[in-house]
Amino acid sequence: GDSVTQMEGPVTLSEEAFLTINCTYTATGYPSLFWYVQYPGEGLQLLLKATKADDKGSNKGFEATYRKETTSFHLEKGSVQVSDSAVYFCALRANQGGKLIFGQGTELSVKP
Amino acid sequence: DAGVIQSPRHEVTEMGQEVTLRCKPISGHDYLFWYRQTMMRGLELLIYFNNNVPIDDSGMPEDRFSAKMPNASFSTLKIQPSEPRDSAVYFCASSLAPDTQYFGPGTRLTVL
Repeated sequence: GDSVTQMEGPVTLSEEAFLTINCTYTATGYPSLFWYVQYPGEGLQLLLKATKADDKGSNKGFEATYRKETTSFHLEKGSVQVSDSAVYFCALRANQGGKLIFGQGTELSVKP
Repeated sequence: DAGVIQSPRHEVTEMGQEVTLRCKPISGHDYLFWYRQTMMRGLELLIYFNNNVPIDDSGMPEDRFSAKMPNASFSTLKIQPSEPRDSAVYFCASSLAPDTQYFGPGTRLTVL
């Protein structure tokens, strides 16, 4: 069945460091791909998405490119801030239906 | 514009008691999702509705769990009888068509 695998956390970085969180997926067809972020004590919020191969989603300095050949959707940011500390979830939606399949989440901690 | 509203935000109950969690989706959204989040199992989809009709309830753990959506602006998730292993954060989310899901703040349930 469809699945999403993320790199394990926690990831600890210093402020202004470069961030990569790896995400790979298994799915039939052409899924849509998402990154959600969860700040402490809150629900998940959409960070960015991509709906077809080679699309790049971007928001708040974060980027991810839909790579069909490597079935990946890695999240990147050039310079992280303390306020980026949160749990990041990669997810896919198969091309039929409304269901999202989430990865296990990656906790990011950014130190000043 | 109000987001997804969940109540209560926190619930503490004793084993064997009935628990009812409530959700008001974003007005106009036609999909509603119930998720459970625990440290051990991560984020799990329990059930989702489209136009008030349950579409996929394969994630509902057992007969103790039930969900209803009597109209487009209200849904409940009921656990009867509750058990300590049901302790988790329960999220409701809604979306317009099978697209970006918007999450509520969650209900933290503790079963003693």
